[in-house]
Amino acid sequence: GNSVTQMEGPVTLSEEAFLTINCTYTATGYPSLFWYVQYPGEGLQLLLKATKADDKGSNKGFEATYRKETTSFHLEKGSVQVSDSAVYFCALSEGYGGATNKLIFGTGTLLAVQP
Amino acid sequence: DSGVTQTPKHLITATGQRVTLRCSPRSGDLSVYWYQQSLDQGLQFLIQYYNGEERAKGNILERFSAQQFPDLHSELNLSSLELGDSALYFCASSGVEGAFFGQGTRLTVV
Repeated sequence: GNSVTQMEGPVTLSEEAFLTINCTYTATGYPSLFWYVQYPGEGLQLLLKATKADDKGSNKGFEATYRKETTSFHLEKGSVQVSDSAVYFCALSEGYGGATNKLIFGTGTLLAVQP
Repeated sequence: DSGVTQTPKHLITATGQRVTLRCSPRSGDLSVYWYQQSLDQGLQFLIQYYNGEERAKGNILERFSAQQFPDLHSELNLSSLELGDSALYFCASSGVEGAFFGQGTRLTVV
């Protein structure tokens, strides 16, 4: 079945460091890919998405590119801030063209940014 | 603010009891999804409703049931509760942009 694998955390970085959180997926068909962020005590917030191969999703300085050849959707940010400390979830949806069906989530990666 | 409203935020109840969690989707969204988040299982899809009808089922126990009403709000009913049902329960609604989540209901079974 479809699945998402993301790197184990926690990831600890100093402020202004470069961030990469790896995410790979297994899917039949043409899934849409998402990154969600969960701040302590809050729900999941949609960070960015990509609906087809080579699409780049971006938001708030974060970006991720849908790579079909490597089945990956790695999250990157050039300069992290303390306020980026949160848990990041990679997810896929089996919908087409942006339509969203149920989401399959990775295990989440805790990011801790130190001042 | 995602536009998805869940009540209550916290719920503490005893084993064997029954509870109802409520979700109001974003205005205009017809799909509602329920997810369970626990430390050992991570985020698990439970069930999806679309415009009042069940659309997809995931790892939902037989003790759990859900429905979506004509005004599109949804309820998740959990019965014969066990300690292992303690978790964060999220509702999400979706449109073309993606799925948007509520703040969740933290259920503690004691």
